[in-house]
Amino acid sequence: DAGITQSPRYKITETGRQVTLMCHQTWSHSYMFWYRQDLGHGLRLIYYSAAADITDKGEVPDGYVVSRSKTENFPLTLESATRSQTSVYFCASSDLAVGTNEKLFFGSGTQLSVL
Amino acid sequence: KNEVEQSPQNLTAQEGEFITINCSYSVGISALHWLQQHPGGGIVSLFMLSSGKKKHGRLIATINIQEKHSSLHITASHPRDSAVYICAVLMDSNYQLIWGAGTKLIIKP
Repeated sequence: DAGITQSPRYKITETGRQVTLMCHQTWSHSYMFWYRQDLGHGLRLIYYSAAADITDKGEVPDGYVVSRSKTENFPLTLESATRSQTSVYFCASSDLAVGTNEKLFFGSGTQLSVL
Repeated sequence: KNEVEQSPQNLTAQEGEFITINCSYSVGISALHWLQQHPGGGIVSLFMLSSGKKKHGRLIATINIQEKHSSLHITASHPRDSAVYICAVLMDSNYQLIWGAGTKLIIKP
């Protein structure tokens, strides 16, 4: 199906474990984003990617790693999960660029709990 | 001071009322997004604006670039409009998005 999909929908893990959240989009959008959403905060950008093999840090990148070997996939890895990384994670994609009229498209979110 | 400020933070209204949610920003932008997040968590993009006004069904979004202000209006509000409405601006310097904290809207039947 066309769209942007995230997996898993829910994940429970323990501190110190490595966790990878998956994001896949079928529109060939250039830009992809990872956000986390916590109570009391708006969406906070973790990493973004302007194209395959191009990634850059957002507002809160510490403890996270991303890769983008293919345009359609943008996995987010927590190298050694900490309790402070308990959050809801959203992946988004868009063709943001000067002069475009593209909206942002969001995945359904991954609710991650680190125990 | 936050670069994107939304008001009000919370809004409760009766079904049928006309709703206005405001967004002010302090940075140069190339576009502004309005998004909706339902209690189940999904985020849906409603509008992307760079000037003027857009309308989709009962939703109207306006932007005044000179005043650095945008509004989202809902006409004939309905309980299913209950959600968090989020404003985000696309900076013209680096194409990053800056997010407002959201406005929680509750429409009572």
